[in-house]
Amino acid sequence: DGGITQSPKYLFRKEGQNVTLSCEQNLNHDAMYWYRQDPGQGLRLIYYSQIVNDFQKGDIAEGYSVSREKKESFPLTVTSAQKNPTAFYLCASSNEAGVGTDTQYFGPGTRLTVL
Amino acid sequence: GDSVTQMEGPVTLSEEAFLTINCTYTATGYPSLFWYVQYPGEGLQLLLKATKADDKGSNKGFEATYRKETTSFHLEKGSVQVSDSAVYFCALRGSTGAYGNKLVFGAGTILRVKS
Repeated sequence: DGGITQSPKYLFRKEGQNVTLSCEQNLNHDAMYWYRQDPGQGLRLIYYSQIVNDFQKGDIAEGYSVSREKKESFPLTVTSAQKNPTAFYLCASSNEAGVGTDTQYFGPGTRLTVL
Repeated sequence: GDSVTQMEGPVTLSEEAFLTINCTYTATGYPSLFWYVQYPGEGLQLLLKATKADDKGSNKGFEATYRKETTSFHLEKGSVQVSDSAVYFCALRGSTGAYGNKLVFGAGTILRVKS
């Protein structure tokens, strides 16, 4: 089955620790995205990548980092500099980078809780 | 910048009632418009989309028409079921090419359907 997988589903972190969230897709999509969701709010873009070895900051990139070494993988690291990291994190991918009409497909999400 | 405004929830309906969730947008150019649905603890699933004015997206009994004159994309369903209980997000993707395929989301509307 083609799709997007995120792991782990739940993640707990102590303050001051960095954690990495995994996102893998086997849809052969060029573009990948990370969003953050907080209760009662829409999704906000953290980072996106249109091609391998390239990525751009979104609206709320501070305290986060990413890499895109392989087309199918786009891990997100939540660093200790992120002041309020407790949230639901969603990864997405789409087939067409740049202006177009294609759709973003989402993974099941990772819920991060800082203890 | 681009923005999406959805009606606040929660919306509570009885089974077989008619559903409308309002969505209006602000964008330059000719955005694509989407409705996504999120079931508890899960990622987002595309429900329907429309890519140009007067297009009607439809899926699983849900419909929405792209109205450029009123900058709206209201979601409707003639007879809701308990299984439709979820959070519904309206989103747009601008046509200007900024942020690649970045989606701009509304805050989401919780729908609760009672049997």
